[in-house]
Formats: sequence, structure tokens, C-alpha cells
Amino acid sequence: EAEVAQSPRYKITEKSQAVAFWCDPISGHATLYWYRQILGQGPELLVQFQDESVVDDSQLPKDRFSAERLKGVDSTLKIQPAELGDSAMYLCASSLTLAGVRNNEQFFGPGTRLTVL
Amino acid sequence: AQSVTQLDSHVSVSEGTPVLLRCNYSSSYSPSLFWYVQHPNKGLQLLLKYTSAATLVKGINGFEAEFKKSETSFHLTKPSAHMSDAAEYFCVVSFTGGGNKLTFGTGTQLKVEL
Repeated sequence: EAEVAQSPRYKITEKSQAVAFWCDPISGHATLYWYRQILGQGPELLVQFQDESVVDDSQLPKDRFSAERLKGVDSTLKIQPAELGDSAMYLCASSLTLAGVRNNEQFFGPGTRLTVL
Repeated sequence: AQSVTQLDSHVSVSEGTPVLLRCNYSSSYSPSLFWYVQHPNKGLQLLLKYTSAATLVKGINGFEAEFKKSETSFHLTKPSAHMSDAAEYFCVVSFTGGGNKLTFGTGTQLKVEL
């Protein structure tokens, strides 16, 4: 069964360092999402891609976070510099298409757990 | 704006007894509603979804949920809990015009005891 792949699974870094997370969506899925899940809360959307284009990055802290999906397949989320409050689970998800098709299921990867010391 | 409220942060049941996880939603548009489950160190898995068809939705692993527009609720139920059901459950809302954006509740941790 096809799955969303993420790496690394765990990352420990010191504040002010740079970190990067990688996501490989299910083959053929045009839409890719990055979520942040703080402990004890539900995931919150950071950025959404349709192919290589950003569709929604309204909740992405752009002063320190960046995301790219250059070839419209895999994606990288970067934080520079990391802050203590960035400690969280970072989840990647993918789905087949964007709006117009009701309720496309999003398939989630296992996540990257980031700890900032 | 859309939002969901999960009324219980923790629910504890005995194995073999019914499960009820409560969710209320708010949406300016006709919503789509989902329940996702998250087991420790695993990704989120879709349990079931409501898409304006039948109001009683059946999902995987014996779970079901009923969409009640008059009560703005979408509670998750299961007749008989199993130890493997212990996990975190998220109620989620989206609407078609929202670009498939999912808004998650804060989650309910389900504990199943022998």
C-alpha cells in the first residue's frame, strides 16, 4: 500500500540552528500539505501545494519557515533559525486533487518530531 | 469561519463497553466532516467521513458517526471497545470552497481498560 514518507522521524537541535524536513507524497498526488502539531493539540496547516505552486501559506511564519516543492513531487520544509517554541510534530499529507472534488481524503505520513533545546 | 469542538479531552472505557466521542462543529458553509485516529508514533488514519450523503456514516474498525445538522454534532460511536482502539481521535471539518483545508479539533484521548 502506498504511503507518505517523511524523514527524519526525530530531530533534536539547538535554538538558532537550521533544520529541514523532507516529505515524499503518494505517487500521483498533486496536492501536498505540511501541518504542525503541538503536543496536546490538533494539527494546524502550515502550507499547501498544488503541484509546485503554493496555494495557501497564510499560517506559515515566513520570517523563519520556508517550504518548497520544486518539481511538484517531494517537498522540503525548513526552519531557520529554530526557536524553542518550534518543538512539535511536523506532519506531511497528500491528496489527489484540490478544490472542486469534494472531500479528497488526505493521507498522512508518520511525521517528524522536532525538539529544540 | 469553520471550527470543531471536541467536548472531552480524555475518555476512559472498559473493554467491551460502548464508546462515545463527542464533536460539535461550526461552519458557514455546508461542511464535510471527518474522524481521524492517531496511534502513538504513527500517522493519522481516516476512520470515516461525511460528505452530505447518508447522515449515518460507517467507518473502519466498527466505528460510526451520525451527522445531526440541528445539533451541529458529529459524534463518534462504537458498540464495543477493544484494547486496540486506545489512541487519540480527532474530529475534523472542511468545506468544498475552502480548498480542501482541514480544521482539526484538539483531540480526545481514548483509554481502554481491561
